[in-house]
Amino acid sequence: QKEVEQNSGPLSVPEGAIASLNCTYSDRGSQSFFWYRQYSGKSPELIMSIYSNGDKEDGRFTAQLNKASQYVSLLIRDSQPSDSATYLCAVKFGGTYKYIFGTGTRLKVLA
Amino acid sequence: GAVVSQHPSWVICKSGTSVKIECRSLDFQATTMFWYRQFPKQSLMLMATSNEGSKATYEQGVEKDKFLINHASLTLSTLTVTSAHPEDSSFYICSASKAGHYNEQFFGPGTRLTVL
Repeated sequence: QKEVEQNSGPLSVPEGAIASLNCTYSDRGSQSFFWYRQYSGKSPELIMSIYSNGDKEDGRFTAQLNKASQYVSLLIRDSQPSDSATYLCAVKFGGTYKYIFGTGTRLKVLA
Repeated sequence: GAVVSQHPSWVICKSGTSVKIECRSLDFQATTMFWYRQFPKQSLMLMATSNEGSKATYEQGVEKDKFLINHASLTLSTLTVTSAHPEDSSFYICSASKAGHYNEQFFGPGTRLTVL
């Protein structure tokens, strides 16, 4: 059973702080990892994709991947109230086109 | 860009009726489309993978006779919920992958189905 796990939260951080979101996955053969943001009632929107070990930065967002430990994380710097949403981790397992989504972490940024 | 649309954005129907949801890739060709379902406060669950011109592959536990998927062209896939019941009420989201680029999926805006 291929699984993707996230802490459901809510994770509350004050405005301007760094929010750290974590995700673990079960299949060592996974190659592609994605972070999506989903506002209530809306479809997910892609924030970051990461394929190699290490860090990948895009504006206020940094994705970190550690394949040996089978985890991927997302850091949001200078968190804003508009960042309040559910963050979904998705993993594309090796040999398939399919994504497996985690249950999502609800982030609340307090003004 | 990579824009995916869905129609309708919301639909209310009576129990026992059938509902068709369309998913279109507007500016690219999508050889593979995916259909997800999301219940309140839950994550996206993949229902089926649809390839243009062939039968859809359904995930375990998804009734293929109830959720009919057709992917007749490189820009259009449809999901028909047959004999809908209140427990089918959910948020249905499609995604599409560009031909030759199977790592990324581009998501549509979703369709909210309410069955009375």
